[in-house]
Amino acid sequence: KAGVTQTPRYLIKTRGQQVTLSCSPISGHRSVSWYQQTPGQGLQFLFEYFSETQRNKGNFPGRFSGRQFSNSRSEMNVSTLELGDSALYLCASAMESRDTQYFGPGTRLTVL
Amino acid sequence: KNEVEQSPQNLTAQEGEFITINCSYSVGISALHWLQQHPGGGIVSLFMLSSGKKKHGRLIATINIQEKHSSLHITASHPRDSAVYICAVRTGNQFYFGTGTSLTVIP
Repeated sequence: KAGVTQTPRYLIKTRGQQVTLSCSPISGHRSVSWYQQTPGQGLQFLFEYFSETQRNKGNFPGRFSGRQFSNSRSEMNVSTLELGDSALYLCASAMESRDTQYFGPGTRLTVL
Repeated sequence: KNEVEQSPQNLTAQEGEFITINCSYSVGISALHWLQQHPGGGIVSLFMLSSGKKKHGRLIATINIQEKHSSLHITASHPRDSAVYICAVRTGNQFYFGTGTSLTVIP
């Protein structure tokens, strides 16, 4: 089975722009979660989707949003980018919400 | 205040040594996860546990729910075990992460 894939792997944007990141889960997995990792804050939970519904959301401003499609693929969007949004964005998929998560390689976003 | 505390932050060991990484948490949890992150960013989930003890190869994870504490043990450590180990807890609808333990195993 193919693992979790994320595109793009690297991205450079400037302040004020918006960005969309994509995550394709392992086939058959219906849960997709997103995380942000920075040197200062470490790993932080962004949100979790299951069967196209957002189940849980972390403590991030409304500029961070996401969605999940009927094929379980997920996208996250960050609008009005700030320098502090520079981070590694990871997605993880699981069969069900409470199962072991499988992580993708991440998208490294740099905001200039 | 951090919901999840890990110790030590950094650890250097000689190949073959027995290693213990500790995790304490302050919230009620439904599960605790141990993650491994190698340089370059890739994360692998090592264990998910809500009680007792689990073993996979040379890795052992234990959890004491009453004491809100978990340990990750690596027996007969090897240089390929060098990575950052992260403890994460799941509450009803949130995930909280420790800051990680950076392990270096010297041949």
